[in-house]
Formats: sequence, structure tokens, C-alpha cells
Amino acid sequence: DTGVSQDPRHKITKRGQNVTFRCDPISEHNRLYWYRQTLGQGPEFLTYFQNEAQLEKSRLLSDRFSAERPKGSFSTLEIQRTEQGDSAMYLCASSDQDRLPTGNTEAFFGQGTRLTVV
Amino acid sequence: EDKVVQSPLSLVVHEGDTVTLNCSYEVTNFRSLLWYKQEKKAPTFLFMLTSSGIEKKSGRLSSILDKKELFSILNITATQTGDSAVYLCAGINYGQNFVFGPGTRLSVLP
Repeated sequence: DTGVSQDPRHKITKRGQNVTFRCDPISEHNRLYWYRQTLGQGPEFLTYFQNEAQLEKSRLLSDRFSAERPKGSFSTLEIQRTEQGDSAMYLCASSDQDRLPTGNTEAFFGQGTRLTVV
Repeated sequence: EDKVVQSPLSLVVHEGDTVTLNCSYEVTNFRSLLWYKQEKKAPTFLFMLTSSGIEKKSGRLSSILDKKELFSILNITATQTGDSAVYLCAGINYGQNFVFGPGTRLSVLP
């Protein structure tokens, strides 16, 4: 399977605990995005990377959230001191920036990690 | 702040009906608009629209972009129960950041 993969698929944690999610993008895709999606809403942008550089962070991303992409390949999203409001689906997507402007630049999504904070 | 609005937010139709989903956008340095279908988990790509007035078609689905009026529509003809999903619209800018709308939840009844 050469698509975007996310791990774990589901995570249940107690409030106050730290959690870490992993995303493996499509190989050779240099753009990697993290989104959060709650029930009935579209994906909300959290942050994105161009290779290993984190280029933009949403103001939704409080200081409890941190994301890394140390080698420009896989990425991790960590949430510290989880709160019930963090319960959501966390989606990762990747795209090929180098194909601009002539190629398709759609983002391909992983299956998501569903976080439940109890 | 960049914003994408979709309407209706939900829609219930019967098989065979034709539906039109709407998307309007305010995206800085707009480059393209994308439509995705989301059934249970990951959104799957449908269309990318960059130029005004050029219809893109894939089977029973078609979409068009109006860059002057800042909107796009997604048409589905002869709907089937398998079309039931949330349809997401996203605007992307030249920085290639994606801004999603809330989605339209389509339910197709047999």
C-alpha cells in the first residue's frame, strides 16, 4: 500500500495524558499536512511541513500540540495534557509540491487517527 | 481569514435524483478548488478546478468553477445509494495550503 498511513487508527486516553500520532506520507511527497476533524465539520487545518520545515501553524494549535517531521519523511503529532475537547479525528495528508504549477496538487489523505479523551 | 462555505449542509434525495452542491470561497492568493468525497474515514479526491468555466466530468459527477463569483458547484446526476457521503470543498492558495468547508452531507435513499 503506497498511500498515506496513520498510526494508530484509534486511541482512547485519559484526560491529562500525552498522546503521539504518526503519519507516513506517500513517498516523495514533500508536503505533509495535519488536520483535525470533528463530527459534522470539515477538516480544520493544524499545520503543514515542506520537507522537514514546519511552514505554518494554525492558531488552533495550542502550546499543548507539537508536530515534527525530523527527516522530511514521516511526521508525528503530539498532544500533551489531553483535554476532552481534543477528541476528534486527526487526519494527515500529503502532496507533491514539486509538481506545481503544471501537475495535480491534490492532497491525499490517510485514514485518520480517532482520538477519544475520557 | 480564508473561508470556504458550502450549502446545503445536508441533503436527502431519492435514487435517480439529480443534486447540485454549492461551494463559495474567500481564499487569499487563490489557486485551485478541490472537491473530495468522504464516506467513513479519509476524504478521497474527486476534482481539482483551476480555470473558470471549464467543466470537469467523471461519470455521473461534474463540477465547474466561477472565479469571478468565487464559487463552484458539484453536480451528481442519477444519484445512487453509493453516492451517500459528505462532500468537501477546499480552496488552495499558491502556498498550497488547503482550506476546507464544512461539507455537505448527502443521503441517497433507495
